[in-house]
Amino acid sequence: AQRVTQPEKLLSVFKGAPVELKCNYSYSGSPELFWYVQYSRQRLQLLLRHISRESIKGFTADLNKGETSFHLKKPFAQEEDSAMYYCALRLQGLYGKLTFGQGTILTVHP
Amino acid sequence: EADIYQTPRYLVIGTGKKITLECSQTMGHDKMYWYQQDPGMELHLIHYSYGVNSTEKGDLSSESTVSRIRTEHFPLTLESARPSHTSQYLCASSEFRGNNSPLHFGNGTRLTVT
Repeated sequence: AQRVTQPEKLLSVFKGAPVELKCNYSYSGSPELFWYVQYSRQRLQLLLRHISRESIKGFTADLNKGETSFHLKKPFAQEEDSAMYYCALRLQGLYGKLTFGQGTILTVHP
Repeated sequence: EADIYQTPRYLVIGTGKKITLECSQTMGHDKMYWYQQDPGMELHLIHYSYGVNSTEKGDLSSESTVSRIRTEHFPLTLESARPSHTSQYLCASSEFRGNNSPLHFGNGTRLTVT
């Protein structure tokens, strides 16, 4: 069965420092990968998806099929980036069912 | 405004009671989902639906049941609540066409069974 692993439950950085939230997945086929974010007292929302190859709020994520990873990166973290981040995987042809990782709480200190 | 709504936001209830968590969306989405989320833990899919009269069990076994009589409504019911059901329940929806359609989440219902 497919699985998503986020090895870091907590991640703390200082403002202006680079940040990388790790995500590894286990699936032999071609998955679709997403990052969702939940800010304090807000609902869970999509941050970015690998197929769009977009940069949202300065965050980027590259799908590395060789390493089965989809790490989320930002070169200069901001305090407003503090949130819970979930990596999620969707298998093609499964009508939208997402499998989520355990989540990483990012804290950006001033 | 097109959105997805969950009620109640918080619910504290005694063991053995029957409860229904409401979820409604006004976006015209065909696909709807229920996820269970314990604090600081991953989200587990417990139910999903592709459309009216379609319901499927998710990856995590759950004693809850769901129904989809109308496109916009996807309630979750626990016939007899137990303390082990204490958790946050998130409802989500997405468009049917295109596997890349993102999930839109509600605010969640935090259930506590005493």
